[in-house]
Amino acid sequence: AQTVTQSQPEMSVQEAETVTLSCTYDTSESDYYLFWYKQPPSRQMILVIRQEAYKQQNATENRFSVNFQKAAKSFSLKISDSQLGDAAMYFCAYRSAGWTGANNLFFGTGTRLTVIP
Amino acid sequence: DSGVTQTPKHLITATGQRVTLRCSPRSGDLSVYWYQQSLDQGLQFLIQYYNGEERAKGNILERFSAQQFPDLHSELNLSSLELGDSALYFCASSPGTSKLDEQFFGPGTRLTVL
Repeated sequence: AQTVTQSQPEMSVQEAETVTLSCTYDTSESDYYLFWYKQPPSRQMILVIRQEAYKQQNATENRFSVNFQKAAKSFSLKISDSQLGDAAMYFCAYRSAGWTGANNLFFGTGTRLTVIP
Repeated sequence: DSGVTQTPKHLITATGQRVTLRCSPRSGDLSVYWYQQSLDQGLQFLIQYYNGEERAKGNILERFSAQQFPDLHSELNLSSLELGDSALYFCASSPGTSKLDEQFFGPGTRLTVL
């Protein structure tokens, strides 16, 4: 079974600074997707960024970027120019890319990010 | 707003009772997923339906059941409730037509079992 590990329960960052959240995963599959979701105090799950395992180029979405190391099974999230609105719980998630129709997400335990003004 | 709706937003009930959570997927989405977020278990997948048929099962208890109706809305039934069933229950939907499909999450139903 796939497992996703987030070893940092809590992180903090000064406003306007950069922070990196770590995630490792375990799988025997070669094709899959990795995601970072943000969960603010409202509890809504918001997709931040997605990486397709067969793509070597790291995904980027505005201030959010990932460092995807397939061989090391590592998928970290970098948030640049941190803003107060970035304060939230961040979940790393894995999904198989096999087209069986069963495409559920496996989540890590989350990292709570605090942004200090 | 993801386009996925869940009712009710909050539910408070007693141990031993039975509740039904409802989910309406985004227009056109054929797949519906149910996830449970609890303090001790984290976020875990319960069950997936695709166009009315069960597609995948995760860590869903036998006391829990779900179905997807012809209009594609889904219901999660929780029975013989225990204190440990208190959690936030998310529904997510996706088109179900491509392996690249993104899952869109509803706002969740917070269940409190007293």
